[in-house]
Amino acid sequence: AQSVTQLGSHVSVSEGALVLLRCNYSSSVPPYLFWYVQYPNQGLQLLLKYTSAATLVKGINGFEAEFKKSETSFHLTKPSAHMSDAAEYFCAVSPSGGYQKVTFGTGTKLQVIP
Amino acid sequence: DAGVTQSPTHLIKTRGQQVTLRCSPKSGHDTVSWYQQALGQGPQFIFQYYEEEERQRGNFPDRFSGHQFPNYSSELNVNALLLGDSALYLCASSVITGRDTKNIQYFGAGTRLSVL
Repeated sequence: AQSVTQLGSHVSVSEGALVLLRCNYSSSVPPYLFWYVQYPNQGLQLLLKYTSAATLVKGINGFEAEFKKSETSFHLTKPSAHMSDAAEYFCAVSPSGGYQKVTFGTGTKLQVIP
Repeated sequence: DAGVTQSPTHLIKTRGQQVTLRCSPKSGHDTVSWYQQALGQGPQFIFQYYEEEERQRGNFPDRFSGHQFPNYSSELNVNALLLGDSALYLCASSVITGRDTKNIQYFGAGTRLSVL
């Protein structure tokens, strides 16, 4: 069984401020973890992935996330928010073996204030 | 290189009707997964196809069925539509093998289904 919990359905930051979106996971087997971004009326775009290599993962658009097994967390960060970062962000988990059922969190909507 | 393509983009149906949604995977991908995303929710896994067989299924009734063709494209069929089936239906493709590529799902833009 696997699940993710995203803390905060809405997060507001000022342009230029740190972005921190929280994700905690639960998995009975070693997980793969993902962050996706969804802009209005669009599909999901992969930001970054953890697949059991380096625990600090760098993604597109300046985002990164750190896998912390002891805390079962995979928080997403970006040092300086840009207006174009306003979107909905989804954390997701899948088992590292077998078929690829991916379980998504409920999403965090990021608002960037000018 | 074309990404994942879905058709149609929008669809309006009435209760009780049947609908078929289509998906073409990204080039080189052999696995197709379907998700339902209700308004304000995260995507919910419906099922996944590999080698023309349903490999995994989420918690959806039998009214939801699918098919994968030899060229890896896929269809999602929903019978006896209910108002609650109104959602964005997302198709994702991936490859079943390979350490660096496995489980990385690439999504299409979705089909927005409205049931009246």
